[in-house]
Parts: sequence; C-alpha cells; structure tokens
Amino acid sequence: NAGVTQTPKFQVLKTGQSMTLQCAQDMNHNSMYWYRQDPGMGLRLIYYSASEGTTDKGEVPNGYNVSRLNKREFSLRLESAAPSQTSVYFCASNLQGEQYFGPGTRLTVT
Amino acid sequence: GQQVMQIPQYQHVQEGEDFTTYCNSSTTLSNIQWYKQRPGGHPVFLIQLVKSGEVKKQKRLTFQFGEAKKNSSLHITATQTTDVGTYFCAGKASGTYKYIFGTGTRLKVLA
Repeated sequence: NAGVTQTPKFQVLKTGQSMTLQCAQDMNHNSMYWYRQDPGMGLRLIYYSASEGTTDKGEVPNGYNVSRLNKREFSLRLESAAPSQTSVYFCASNLQGEQYFGPGTRLTVT
Repeated sequence: GQQVMQIPQYQHVQEGEDFTTYCNSSTTLSNIQWYKQRPGGHPVFLIQLVKSGEVKKQKRLTFQFGEAKKNSSLHITATQTTDVGTYFCAGKASGTYKYIFGTGTRLKVLA
C-alpha cells in the first residue's frame, strides 16, 4: 500500500499560470481533503469530498477548484495562481475519523 | 464560523521535563483529534477522542477531552528528543465532515 500519494512534490509557478495538484489514495477511503499550510501555521481546509461525486468548500476555497475523479483520486486546481497561494498543500483521506496525509506539495508562486 | 485555538504557540523544555498543550474550540465538538508533525514532514494521526471527559493514554502521552466537549489537552511526561515537532488538534462539529485544525504548538526539547 502506498497510502496517500501527491504529485508533484515541488512546483514553481509564475503569477497567472494554472496547474493541477494530484492526489490519490489506495486505502478505499470515502472522504478526502485538501489543506494548505503556511509557514509556522496550522492547516486550513480548502475543499473536501465526503464521498465520490460530492465536493464541498472548506475554510479557504477562493482561487481553487477541485475534482473527485473517482474514489481514489481528488485533484486541486489553481486556475490563475497568485503569490498568496504560495504554501505547502496536503491531501488527506479519512477512515472513521483518522486522517492519513500525503507527503505534501511545496508550491511557490512568483 | 468554527475556530480552534491552541496554546502555547511554542514551548522549549529540557529533556525529562513535562509538556502540555491546550486546545479550545469556539463551538461544541463531536470529536477531537491530535496530530504530530515533524519538521519538513506531514501530520501523523495520534488519537481521536469522542466522549465527554474522555482520557486516553499512549505510553508517555495523555489526552483529555473536556466535559463540555469544547476543549482538550495533550500532556507528555518526561519529554525525549524524539518528541520534537508541532502538535495539532483538529476538531469536528456534529453533522459535518470538516475538521478545523488548531494553530499548533511547536515543541523543542533540549538535551
């Protein structure tokens, strides 16, 4: 089992560029989440998906879109990147409350 | 909206001293979780508390959930250098799948 995988590990974007962060889990979990973590801060929920086919906004959804492609995959898209979106992005999946986190994507927007 | 605060923000202790971090929610929670994140790593689940007044122990770690289900604490007895990291609580309100994370307490242990 790979658990939760995220690609890419690192990314540098210019302001206005778009990109999609990929997340996949092989644990057959229903719920998946996207968080961002800014330096020295906690995790803030961007979007979540309680089950395949559903998505809901979290605390900080502006500037992001998500797709729950199937039960395994939950992607996060930045349509027009801004420097304020420089952060580490974590994907997580959830089984009976326990969240399993991926290794993160470190994104810098210049 | 729901807010979760943690104190202290930072804590430096000598190896062997005890450590406690406190978590307070603005709303009543259905459950609360604790995570540990090592520098440069991802959060790792430690425990989940569900019942009012619940106390759980994992070796040197003791977790408590308040009677009103709005606060929680993590206590580490006799800290070791391996305890270094940031400890986060995450609270979930009833009827939602959303977990709101606290601001975290960064622990440094001096050998």
